[in-house]
Amino acid sequence: SQQGEEDPQALSIQEGENATMNCSYKTSINNLQWYRQNSGRGLVHLILIRSNEREKHSGRLRVTLDTSKKSSSLLITASRAADTASYFCATVQSTGANSKLTFGKGITLSVRP
Amino acid sequence: DTAVSQTPKYLVTQMGNDKSIKCEQNLGHDTMYWYKQDSKKFLKIMFSYNNKELIINETVPNRFSPKSPDKAHLNLHINSLELGDSAVYFCASSQRRGAGEAFFGQGTRLTVV
Repeated sequence: SQQGEEDPQALSIQEGENATMNCSYKTSINNLQWYRQNSGRGLVHLILIRSNEREKHSGRLRVTLDTSKKSSSLLITASRAADTASYFCATVQSTGANSKLTFGKGITLSVRP
Repeated sequence: DTAVSQTPKYLVTQMGNDKSIKCEQNLGHDTMYWYKQDSKKFLKIMFSYNNKELIINETVPNRFSPKSPDKAHLNLHINSLELGDSAVYFCASSQRRGAGEAFFGQGTRLTVV
């Protein structure tokens, strides 16, 4: 079963606006990651936030993590048409000495020029 | 140099055939994965290897057999292909026994006719 559930499933905004995407998960995690996938391409890692962190920034990206609510959000500020893509959250759970990376269903973001 | 490369990019084949997809990473990572992405962009983990050792084997039909000749390669062989196997298959690698960020290949679009 999927660990992460993102919402909304689809988001359409105007260039320059901010985009907020949410992710909820079910079990305890080691860390949570966000990925972007452009149409017909592989996934690209955006940002990783550890379970003991609450907020992280990278350029126009801001990620928050609330482990008590088992949720995370990804904020993209001042969106651009090039941000149009699918965004996935992924959780890392420890399985003994190893870890398992499990993806949510993804959010389709459309940024209108 | 491509970090994670998989071949072929496209594969069209008839039902009942056997096919292989190859994956190589030049990042020195210790963990490699195979994911299947369906038409709804749902990404499901299939297998995970750490230093040539199988550590995750999700409920995948035994027609799918991964092989890791060394820690830089993880190939996927599929026997007796079925229509439902049509999907995009992604290879990925990561560090820290799977806890780090994952790097993805470009994907192999498999179409079974």
